[in-house]
Amino acid sequence: NAGVMQNPRHLVRRRGQEARLRCSPMKGHSHVYWYRQLPEEGLKFMVYLQKENIIDESGMPKERFSAEFPKEGPSILRIQQVVRGDSAAYFCASSPLTFRDIDLGGAGNTIYFGEGSWLTVV
Amino acid sequence: GNSVTQMEGPVTLSEEAFLTINCTYTATGYPSLFWYVQYPGEGLQLLLKATKADDKGSNKGFEATYRKETTSFHLEKGSVQVSDSAVYFCALSDRDQTGANNLFFGTGTRLTVIP
Repeated sequence: NAGVMQNPRHLVRRRGQEARLRCSPMKGHSHVYWYRQLPEEGLKFMVYLQKENIIDESGMPKERFSAEFPKEGPSILRIQQVVRGDSAAYFCASSPLTFRDIDLGGAGNTIYFGEGSWLTVV
Repeated sequence: GNSVTQMEGPVTLSEEAFLTINCTYTATGYPSLFWYVQYPGEGLQLLLKATKADDKGSNKGFEATYRKETTSFHLEKGSVQVSDSAVYFCALSDRDQTGANNLFFGTGTRLTVIP
């Protein structure tokens, strides 16, 4: 069973270009989370999606950022007109259930992270 | 609000040395606490967890005790190995939140163990 797959692992974009980051959740997982790690900072929540639905995007910048998780295919995090401050590692995680649904104390390791996508804006 | 503060790195230790990585938290509710580990070139993996005060999480020789009185969840290992070299993230999940986006992470501490 393959883990959470993210690609590209490394992406370089010039200011003003678009960046697209892809995340394929683990087989059987219908919940996807995107986190961003800025240099010298911890991971910060961006958005939570289920198939064809954005459940919570409270951590997503209001401008230029969007996310989708279509019925078929991977989840996409899209950043338009990138700026230097967008340079970061973007991590995707997936789970079969939501944080609210599962008992994290008893369910064990049910949240799986991908290896991350490093975006560099030059 | 919810936040996690963990010891800044990097930390460099000799093999078989004792490890402590400090983590303190601020939470509005009754959080669960976690340590995640990220080995070079890999994603984050759950290392251990504790869901209530005085619980001790343990795995692979690592331990952490949920201390409500000091709002801490320090990670310890009695004798580190070279294979423990990784980045360690402390995190909390606040059960009171109704959304699913309730994992809050610290900044991570890079550990390097030298032979």
